[in-house]
Amino acid sequence: GENVEQHPSTLSVQEGDSAVIKCTYSDSASNYFPWYKQELGKGPQLIIDIRSNVGEKKDQRIAVTLNKTAKHFSLHITETQPEDSAVYFCAAKVPRLTFGTGTRLTIIP
Amino acid sequence: DTGVSQDPRHKITKRGQNVTFRCDPISEHNRLYWYRQTLGQGPEFLTYFQNEAQLEKSRLLSDRFSAERPKGSFSTLEIQRTEQGDSAMYLCASSTLSGGELFFGEGSRLTVL
Repeated sequence: GENVEQHPSTLSVQEGDSAVIKCTYSDSASNYFPWYKQELGKGPQLIIDIRSNVGEKKDQRIAVTLNKTAKHFSLHITETQPEDSAVYFCAAKVPRLTFGTGTRLTIIP
Repeated sequence: DTGVSQDPRHKITKRGQNVTFRCDPISEHNRLYWYRQTLGQGPEFLTYFQNEAQLEKSRLLSDRFSAERPKGSFSTLEIQRTEQGDSAMYLCASSTLSGGELFFGEGSRLTVL
C-alpha cells in the first residue's frame, strides 16, 4: 500500500517568514495530494490540493509543488501569521487517502 | 450547520465494554469514511462506504470493530470488548463520488480505562 513520509515533525518560524513542509510517497499510482490543517480539538480541514497532472498550485499565501518523478510534494506558506499555527498533514490517494504523520507548525510573534 | 457531525464527542468507558459512535455525513455525499487518529499521528484509514455498501476495510479493523451504513445516510462504528489500545480519536469524513476533498467531522474521542 501507499506510504507517506512527512518532515519536519515540528517547525517554528517567526511571524512573517515562510514555512515549508515536505512529503514523499511510495506508490507511483497516487494521483491526488491534499494538505490538511488540524487545529486543537477539531477535525482536519483541507487547505489546498494538487492533482498529478499539475506541478504547482497556489492559493493566496499557500502553495503546493509536486514532483512526480521524485515522488515528493511540498507545502509552502508565505508571510506566516499567528493563525497559521496548527498541525499540518499531507496525504496521497490511491484510491483512498493515506496521511503523513503531521507537522506541528508554531508561528512566533 | 450542514457539515459532518459525530456523536458523542467524548466517550470514557471501561475495558471490556462496547461503544458505538455515530456519524452524519453531508447530505449529498455518497462516500463515508472512518479514520482513527492517535496522539501525534496522522489519521489512519479504517473503512469506507459508497452509499450503503462497505467497499474497503483496513487490516486495522479487527473483528471487534464493525461499521454500518444501513440506508446510505448516517453510519455507526461499534467497538466490542474495548481494549486500552482502542483509545483514540475516531474521525468520520464524507465526500462526493469523485472522491476528491474529504470533509471531516470533529471526531469522537474514546478513552478506555
